[in-house]
Amino acid sequence: ETGVTQTPRHLVMGMTNKKSLKCEQHLGHNAMYWYKQSAKKPLELMFVYNFKEQTENNSVPSRFSPECPNSSHLFLHLHTLQPEDSALYLCASSPKGRATNEKLFFGSGTQLSVL
Amino acid sequence: DAKTTQPNSMESNEEEPVHLPCNHSTISGTDYIHWYRQLPSQGPEYVIHGLTSNVNNRMASLAIAEDRKSSTLILHRATLRDAAVYYCILKGGSGGGADGLTFGKGTHLIIQP
Repeated sequence: ETGVTQTPRHLVMGMTNKKSLKCEQHLGHNAMYWYKQSAKKPLELMFVYNFKEQTENNSVPSRFSPECPNSSHLFLHLHTLQPEDSALYLCASSPKGRATNEKLFFGSGTQLSVL
Repeated sequence: DAKTTQPNSMESNEEEPVHLPCNHSTISGTDYIHWYRQLPSQGPEYVIHGLTSNVNNRMASLAIAEDRKSSTLILHRATLRDAAVYYCILKGGSGGGADGLTFGKGTHLIIQP
């Protein structure tokens, strides 16, 4: 148990659906992250939030829309996805952001399948 | 952040030590060396990190070369539960907001009973 909880664990959606992934951390951290892990590929950083402000968007298509209402919760809203978006979506948090010796704590991820 | 090079896979026997190498010849003076591992069907988990000196914790040891161009993660007595992908990551800071960690392909460690 890392203190970072992601729901749902598995999600199957059609290309016309709208769904949301949820991440919650109980660690008192101020930075939260979304990563994407496709089969046979390294983890890709998608979005970074620090103190609820988005500080990084790594050229992610607009069909992925993040939301961070407070430092403990992070959402990833999905709409009109493509089959190639099928992947494991991982949320992480860290105490305060850019410190070079700071640890990231990951959730177990949401395995997304787009049909 | 500077790049790291790791073997794609390694195999070891249960209850024996494992030495996982990482090359980072372009490391800068302020880069920390982080190691994470990812067990099957889970998110990555922190293992250890260091700057210049060797580091030990309950999970592993980190040996850093004197010139810092390479490092080795040491699992002192591997168990089947240590089978995972191990990532060596350099993390440098440049001020201002959070920017996460950049993961490579890592080393897939296989443990034989």
